[in-house]
Amino acid sequence: DTEVTQTPKHLVMGMTNKKSLKCEQHMGHRAMYWYKQKAKKPPELMFVYSYEKLSINESVPSRFSPECPNSSLLNLHLHALQPEDSALYLCASSQAGTPEKLFFGSGTQLSVL
Amino acid sequence: KNEVEQSPQNLTAQEGEFITINCSYSVGISALHWLQQHPGGGIVSLFMLSSGKKKHGRLIATINIQEKHSSLHITASHPRDSAVYICAVWENNDMRFGAGTRLTVKP
Repeated sequence: DTEVTQTPKHLVMGMTNKKSLKCEQHMGHRAMYWYKQKAKKPPELMFVYSYEKLSINESVPSRFSPECPNSSLLNLHLHALQPEDSALYLCASSQAGTPEKLFFGSGTQLSVL
Repeated sequence: KNEVEQSPQNLTAQEGEFITINCSYSVGISALHWLQQHPGGGIVSLFMLSSGKKKHGRLIATINIQEKHSSLHITASHPRDSAVYICAVWENNDMRFGAGTRLTVKP
């Protein structure tokens, strides 16, 4: 299994809603990442977990809250988002350290109304 | 100035042409990745380079560490190669992306 599975694929939410994005991999990777990608722009790193501990937080607003409950799962909890948060949210995983390869999920397309 | 610069931004080629996409970076890195992103979001990792050259099928990637420059070549291009190609540099658990090169290969 060389897949990173993200759910849901699409999400529409209001500014007062609370929702969660989920990411799962079963490749034994100990590093997992959340990226945000706006249309026609490159991905921007949001969070990195290494061995289930948050190792990088790129000054992301607190309305985004990551969680890594175990080595296979990564969540991104969303609360009180703004319309400008609408984007494609990508999860990726890799071996820890300097990876040979990153494996990306197909993303969650988020629209905030 | 971006830490990772790619050129060209857009590239249109005829099927069969040889294609080169360039990447220059201004920071110290431990590795450089070439990624391919198709419409709809899916990103595929093509190569990781820390030195020299790698080849996979019709794709060739090179890196010159001293000059902080990498190139991705596609031989005998095909319409299915149409995608955005992204150069990304890796250092300390952090990947910095170039803006991408949008490649369209016409039959």
